[in-house]
Amino acid sequence: EAGVAQSPRYKIIEKRQSVAFWCNPISGHATLYWYQQILGQGPKLLIQFQNNGVVDDSQLPKDRFSAERLKGVDSTLKIQPAKLEDSAVYLCASSPWTANEQFFGPGTRLTVL
Amino acid sequence: AQSVTQPDIHITVSEGASLELRCNYSYGATPYLFWYVQSPGQGLQLLLKYFSGDTLVQGIKGFEAEFKRSQSSFNLRKPSVHWSDAAEYFCAVGPSKLSFGAGTTVTVRA
Repeated sequence: EAGVAQSPRYKIIEKRQSVAFWCNPISGHATLYWYQQILGQGPKLLIQFQNNGVVDDSQLPKDRFSAERLKGVDSTLKIQPAKLEDSAVYLCASSPWTANEQFFGPGTRLTVL
Repeated sequence: AQSVTQPDIHITVSEGASLELRCNYSYGATPYLFWYVQSPGQGLQLLLKYFSGDTLVQGIKGFEAEFKRSQSSFNLRKPSVHWSDAAEYFCAVGPSKLSFGAGTTVTVRA
C-alpha cells in the first residue's frame, strides 16, 4: 500500500513570496490533516478535512494560509505572502476516518529567507 | 484544552540498556494516546496507540507503553535499545485533533 505522498520535499523562498504544497493521501482515506512543525517543537494541526469539507481550521492563519481538498482526494496548502516565521516542516497525514491512527507523509521543509 | 508534556528534551542511553520516555497529558474525557517516532528528514511513524482496554500496550520495534489514568501518564519503554532507535519521539493525545508534545530526542551510544 502506497503511503502519503508530499511534494516538493524542500522549498526555499524569499519573504513575501507565495508557495504551495501538495499532498496525496492513502487511497480511500477520508480524513486529511495538515500540520506545521517548527524546529524543536511537536507538530501543530493547521487544518483537518473530512472528504472535501473542512472539519477544523481554528489554528490556520487565514490571512495568509489557505488549503483546499478538491474531490476529497488530493490537497494543497498555500502560503501567501510568506513570513520568516513560516519556516517549518509541513506534514500531511491521512486516516480512514476521524478518531483513528494517522499516517504521515515525509513532509515539506520550507525555508523563508 | 488538551495538551501533552514531555519532560525530557534529550536522553542519552547506552546500546543494550533500557529506555523510558515520559509523557503526561491533559484531556477532559477518555484520551486516545499515541507515540510516534521521527527519524531525521522523515515523517512520523506510529509506534503504538491506546484507545481503551488493556492499559499495557505493545507496539512495533519492541516498544511498549502503559496508560495510567491516575497519573495522567503514558510512558514509553523499551527493555534493550538498539543503535537504530536513535530518533525523536513524540507523544500525542487525540482522538482526531492531535496535540503533540515537544518531543524527546534519544541518542544511543555504543
